[in-house]
Amino acid sequence: ETGVTQTPRHLVMGMTNKKSLKCEQHLGHNAMYWYKQSAKKPLELMFVYNFKEQTENNSVPSRFSPECPNSSHLFLHLHTLQPEDSALYLCASSDRGTDDEQFFGPGTRLTVL
Amino acid sequence: LAKTTQPISMDSYEGQEVNITCSHNNIATNDYITWYQQFPSQGPRFIIQGYKTKVTNEVASLFIPADRKSSTLSLPRVSLSDTAVYYCLVGVYTSGGYNKLIFGAGTRLAVHP
Repeated sequence: ETGVTQTPRHLVMGMTNKKSLKCEQHLGHNAMYWYKQSAKKPLELMFVYNFKEQTENNSVPSRFSPECPNSSHLFLHLHTLQPEDSALYLCASSDRGTDDEQFFGPGTRLTVL
Repeated sequence: LAKTTQPISMDSYEGQEVNITCSHNNIATNDYITWYQQFPSQGPRFIIQGYKTKVTNEVASLFIPADRKSSTLSLPRVSLSDTAVYYCLVGVYTSGGYNKLIFGAGTRLAVHP
């Protein structure tokens, strides 16, 4: 138990669906992250939020839309995804920022049909 | 921009010391190096972080030579529970901070009885 929870743990969706992934951290941290982990690629940083401000968007397609309503919650809104978007989506948080130790959630396994 | 390269897999036996090396030829002065461990169905877990020379904590050591083009994670006296995937990460400093996080593809360590 890392103090970072993610829901749902598994999600199957069609290409025309809209769904959201939720992440919550109980550590009092100030930075939160979304990562994509697929079988054939290294872990990819998607978005960074520092004090609720988005500070990084690593050329992520617009069909992925992050939202950070407060420093404890992070969402990833998904719409019109492609089968190649199937992956494990990991959320993480850190105290000070991106040069600090990150605590990861267990991930959401997403399958796009 | 730094690119990280690490061996795909390694095998060891209980009680041995394991050294996993990551190559990051284009690392810049202010970039940092971190190692994470990941078990199946879990998010990565922080092991150790450093900038130069040697860092040691209760679970591992990190050796970084003067040119910083590589780093070596050293796990003393491994046990079966150390069987996992180990990721090297280079945190790249840009004008706004450490917003480029470059992960290696991971090294799958198998510890045998």
